Amino acid sequence: QLQLQESGPGLVTPSETLSLTCTVSGGSSSSRNYWGWIRQPPGKGLEWIGTIYYTGTTYYNPSLKSRVTISEDASKNQLSLRLSSVTAADTAVYYCVRPQGGFCCNWFDPWGQGTLVTVSS
Amino acid sequence: QSALTQPPSASGSPGQSVTISCTGTSSDIGGYNYVSWYQQHPGKAPKVMIYEVSKRPSGVPDRFSGSKSGNTASLTVSGLQAEDEAEYYCSSYAASNNVEFGGGTKLTVL
Repeated sequence: QLQLQESGPGLVTPSETLSLTCTVSGGSSSSRNYWGWIRQPPGKGLEWIGTIYYTGTTYYNPSLKSRVTISEDASKNQLSLRLSSVTAADTAVYYCVRPQGGFCCNWFDPWGQGTLVTVSS
Repeated sequence: QSALTQPPSASGSPGQSVTISCTGTSSDIGGYNYVSWYQQHPGKAPKVMIYEVSKRPSGVPDRFSGSKSGNTASLTVSGLQAEDEAEYYCSSYAASNNVEFGGGTKLTVL
């Protein structure tokens, strides 16, 4: 059964870069799949961050595109998220997800358990 | 502010049916059959309940159903059970490879 596990610092300083890793187990991150990230600020709704295809093609939320980089390391079965110039508004639970339905932006299953990242000095 | 509009709350008694709406535009819900619904219990990751407007993933009870009319999608939960109490989010593909979510609806089982 495919499982996704996020990891990374729980506290990031404003203006710095947030970096998270998602480890894929029970499957391969390079098996012609899409992989992605979704976040949820505390007490608020969900926001799609972006998706990467196994070829390296990326798709990003237009509102975050200038600050986001999603990459994949197939040898480690991992994908990564980098978000630059963070502010308190980037404080959220970050979820690793697998987009389903044959393209970047249909539905998402499974989800990782999520990791809370707080932006504060 | 979310791109898709959901009522903040909904409620029903055990055994009853409740419908949650999700309103968008012709650039998202109205333009594509890529609407999905997610259930989220407190402190847990979301779980997909409906995808592509009305399809149910394996393991999701048939009490959950989805539909769409114009720019509005709906999730109906029939035969409400206590465990259905949760937050529900709609999602839709939007033009130019984008994904939008609703603000969420808190479903209370009375």
